[in-house]
Amino acid sequence: NAGVTQTPKFRILKIGQSMTLQCAQDMNHNYMYWYRQDPGMGLKLIYYSVGAGITDKGEVPNGYNVSRSTTEDFPLRLELAAPSQTSVYFCASNLGLAGSGWYEQFFGPGTRLTVL
Amino acid sequence: GDSVTQMEGPVTLSEEAFLTINCTYTATGYPSLFWYVQYPGEGLQLLLKATKADDKGSNKGFEATYRKETTSFHLEKGSVQVSDSAVYFCALSKAGANNLFFGTGTRLTVIP
Repeated sequence: NAGVTQTPKFRILKIGQSMTLQCAQDMNHNYMYWYRQDPGMGLKLIYYSVGAGITDKGEVPNGYNVSRSTTEDFPLRLELAAPSQTSVYFCASNLGLAGSGWYEQFFGPGTRLTVL
Repeated sequence: GDSVTQMEGPVTLSEEAFLTINCTYTATGYPSLFWYVQYPGEGLQLLLKATKADDKGSNKGFEATYRKETTSFHLEKGSVQVSDSAVYFCALSKAGANNLFFGTGTRLTVIP
């Protein structure tokens, strides 16, 4: 299994440009997540999805959009990039809620985005 | 709201030294607590977890005990190795929710 994969690894955008960060997992996980990590800060949840066709906002959704057309893929779209979106973006996935336990979240290697 | 406060870094230790990275949390109810590790160029990996008070999570020589009375989950290792150099994140999740709340991360560098 490749686990969670993310592309690209690095990207530089100009203010106002758009781009899509790709995320894919091959573990047949229902739940997928997008986090951002700002310098010196912890990860914050942007959006998450509990299954194909279902998405919901996290803590910091403004300026982003997501879609989930398949179980495997969960792309994150940045419209009108701003310097405040300079960050490292992590995608993660897991099986979902567990009645008496907790399913580990598996993370991709991250995408480092700079907006100038 | 729910939050995690983690020891500021960076931390530099000599090989075989004792490691403690402090983590305290604020949460209602009974959260689960985690330590994640991020090695250079890689994504975060779960290092250990504890899901109820007084549980001790352990893995790869690392340990952490869920202390409800002090709302803490400090990470310890008796003898660090160069290969332990990484960024360590403390995190919590609430029962019935998948969202993880992360601390700011602590960068550990172990020198030979």
